[in-house]
Amino acid sequence: KQEVTQIPAALSVPEGENLVLNCSFTDSAIYNLQWFRQDPGKGLTSLLLIQSSQREQTSGRLNASLDKSSGRSTLYIAASQPGDSATYLCAVRMDSNYQLIWGAGTKLIIKP
Amino acid sequence: AAGVIQSPRHLIKEKRETATLKCYPIPRHDTVYWYQQGPGQDPQFLISFYEKMQSDKGSIPDRFSAQQFSDYHSELNMSSLELGDSALYFCASSSGQNYGYTFGSGTRLTVV
Repeated sequence: KQEVTQIPAALSVPEGENLVLNCSFTDSAIYNLQWFRQDPGKGLTSLLLIQSSQREQTSGRLNASLDKSSGRSTLYIAASQPGDSATYLCAVRMDSNYQLIWGAGTKLIIKP
Repeated sequence: AAGVIQSPRHLIKEKRETATLKCYPIPRHDTVYWYQQGPGQDPQFLISFYEKMQSDKGSIPDRFSAQQFSDYHSELNMSSLELGDSALYFCASSSGQNYGYTFGSGTRLTVV
């Protein structure tokens, strides 16, 4: 059974720092992995999608990497801003079905 | 760009009442997913539809039913509502397995 873990559960850093959020999964037979952002009480915004054959994806100040063999993905946020404060969720999609299996999220606070 | 549209945004119902949530996927997306997210929890997969047929089923209670119509919009029908049904209900759509999910803003259901 696939399990997705995100570390740390919460992170508070000063504005301007570069930071890394971690996501690990127990079953490497994933189809793809997606990083989402969720603001309190609001919807889920897709940030980056990495197919199982890819190593990384970049969008603006965000870079996500995938090491399928070791069951790890990282989300790198450069030059953090207060507007980056949110909960960041990673989710994996398995080969066999459409469901997403979610990590518990990392709550990120960027202090001005 | 058009996004996933959910209606209503907020809904308040009494116990034992019925609620219907609607989801309009991104144009040309053929798959719709429903997720339930309780307070402080990660999203739980309920059910999905591909080309108007149910494609996968998760932790959807028997009191709930859903369908996808010919125009690809989907409706989640919830009967005999319970206090524990209070949650954010998200709809997501995708186009085939090669692409990621796009989520709607969600419907916040409060059962009183």
